[in-house]
Amino acid sequence: AQSVTQPDIHITVSEGASLELRCNYSYGATPYLFWYVQSPGQGLQLLLKYFSGDTLVQGIKGFEAEFKRSQSSFNLRKPSVHWSDAAEYFCAVGVPNDYKLSFGAGTTVTVRA
Amino acid sequence: GAVVSQHPSWVICKSGTSVKIECRSLDFQATTMFWYRQFPKQSLMLMATSNEGSKATYEQGVEKDKFLINHASLTLSTLTVTSAHPEDSSFYICSARTGTGEETQYFGPGTRLLVL
Repeated sequence: AQSVTQPDIHITVSEGASLELRCNYSYGATPYLFWYVQSPGQGLQLLLKYFSGDTLVQGIKGFEAEFKRSQSSFNLRKPSVHWSDAAEYFCAVGVPNDYKLSFGAGTTVTVRA
Repeated sequence: GAVVSQHPSWVICKSGTSVKIECRSLDFQATTMFWYRQFPKQSLMLMATSNEGSKATYEQGVEKDKFLINHASLTLSTLTVTSAHPEDSSFYICSARTGTGEETQYFGPGTRLLVL
């Protein structure tokens, strides 16, 4: 079965600074990979996804992620964070024909002025 | 596109009552819907998968008689928490998959349940 690890529980970043959130997965082949963002008391919003093809994926809100097969990683990046980026970020993994997602534990991002 | 709604957004009920939560796909037909539970500061825990017109598939450890799921149409799934108790208090989130070959799940805004 697939699994997801988000090594960083909490990250604090200054507004305007760059942000990178780590995600590592365990699966025998190339999975489907997703990043979602959750604001307090809200549902999850899809930031971006990777199924195949170009390993650098562009998403909404200025986010991008890079799939690295050799490292089993799918790290999320943003060059310059805004205060509104403070939220909980979840990496998720799906496998073909299963439709279920496995979620990481999440990373809380705090943005300081 | 791919908007999912939930109703109600929050509910407070007395212990022993049943609560129904609706999940609707507003602009697409959802062949599969999922129900998750999320405790504070934790990740999402999949409770069950429901396909339109068939019985839901529950994850291990989830009581199917406690959490009744109905997926009567391609745009509506309901979760009923029967005889709710304080330990059922949680944040319940649904998601929907848009269709064949589309593996992306789109999430509703969640329902906060507080059982007194």
